[in-house]
Amino acid sequence: QSVLTQSPSASGTPGQRVTISCSGSSFNIGNNYVYWYQQFPGMAPKLLIYRNDQRPSGVPDRFSGSKSGTSGFLAISGLRSEDEADYYCAAWDDRLSGFAVFGGGTKLTVL
Amino acid sequence: QVQLVQSGAEVKKPGASVKVSCKASGYTFSDYRMNWVRQAPGQGLEWMGWINPNTGDSKYIQKFQGRVTMTRDTSISTAYMELSRLTSDDTAVYYCARDNNGADYWGQGTLVTVSS
Repeated sequence: QSVLTQSPSASGTPGQRVTISCSGSSFNIGNNYVYWYQQFPGMAPKLLIYRNDQRPSGVPDRFSGSKSGTSGFLAISGLRSEDEADYYCAAWDDRLSGFAVFGGGTKLTVL
Repeated sequence: QVQLVQSGAEVKKPGASVKVSCKASGYTFSDYRMNWVRQAPGQGLEWMGWINPNTGDSKYIQKFQGRVTMTRDTSISTAYMELSRLTSDDTAVYYCARDNNGADYWGQGTLVTVSS
């Protein structure tokens, strides 16, 4: 049972905009940055969004992040088949003295 | 370019220990903390802890305290994660990941299988 809550699955059709949410509390998302990772089967995760809404170099601007209160959001616009992957949110948790927590992950299916 | 290369897959018996290495290249090893994250088969990601390669300080989440030790050898830019008293629940892929505004670079993962 993860400290951060994500819907287990999400789906969309090519070209559509999809939003994945991550719900936390004042101890984590409410007081700290949100990070998003993308993971393909059998591969290591990849940092997609850092500090709520910043994209590392090389990440397409179709991916965007935001935060509101104790929830974080990852939006993917112009959905492509290659976006089908697992997406994890993460945030530092003030109760854990310097550790981060992950969400349980959302499997995105492109129909 | 930044690379983290981990040691190969391991098969261990219950009660044994495993030590996974993570060799860094393409940046100054001592400048960034190294995280360790694991992923059980079909499951999500789980932070284990981190080590500061500059000072050797390490910190582990409570679940692993007493069983995990993270060390480093700065002369060869390598971080290590040793987990003891293994059980079948420790079967997972173990990743090292550089800490820089999130975990910005990851190793390829090391599968540790615990089986009698």
